[in-house]
Amino acid sequence: GAVVSQHPSRVICKSGTSVKIECRSLDFQATTMFWYRQFPKQSLMLMATSNEGSKATYEQGVEKDKFLINHASLTLSTLTVTSAHPEDSSFYICSATISGRASLQFFGPGTRLTVL
Amino acid sequence: AQKITQTQPGMFVQEKEAVTLDCTYDTSDPSYGLFWYKQPSSGEMIFLIYQGSYDQQNATEGRYSLNFQKARKSANLVISASQLGDSAMYFCAMREGPYGGATNKLIFGTGTLLAVQP
Repeated sequence: GAVVSQHPSRVICKSGTSVKIECRSLDFQATTMFWYRQFPKQSLMLMATSNEGSKATYEQGVEKDKFLINHASLTLSTLTVTSAHPEDSSFYICSATISGRASLQFFGPGTRLTVL
Repeated sequence: AQKITQTQPGMFVQEKEAVTLDCTYDTSDPSYGLFWYKQPSSGEMIFLIYQGSYDQQNATEGRYSLNFQKARKSANLVISASQLGDSAMYFCAMREGPYGGATNKLIFGTGTLLAVQP
């Protein structure tokens, strides 16, 4: 149990376009979802915390107008990178926590974004 | 200030031997949790083991054990009987605040790349 999926797994886009990444909890309801960004050979950096039905909480230095997060249901959160630029190229990973097991985060497989 | 420190950028270990991956942390919160995750080259983050700050015994999960030394603020991961499939990046992470609390954010260390040699 506790499977998290992400779609797409890999995306290449042109500079200036927007890209949407989906994060789904497949077999549980996720009270909270997290979005991370990981540059090559670096650690995971938390971008934002997303709770169903409320606005996401962004970490310091993360542009909320550039990285739009929508947590529409207890099983789906989306991250939209708006007007993507080459410096946005990165590995984006989501995670989800289960109601009642609030500390343990289950991670999705990640999405590799390349902006040309 | 960096709250999770992994001082070993890379480690080699011979197959079937044990290896210890270091992790130190810094927090003033009396309640916290420590996690280890494995990230193979595919990129997925695989949960390995958890230690709560109030847990009396060191956590163990199969071949993984956590050497928790609270006074020294260290939470080293010990992998026994290393296997070739253990080759991956290993991240130590900390959650500040009580289990099940409102803030579930994890802070990750910089990771240690483990290479298991046949």
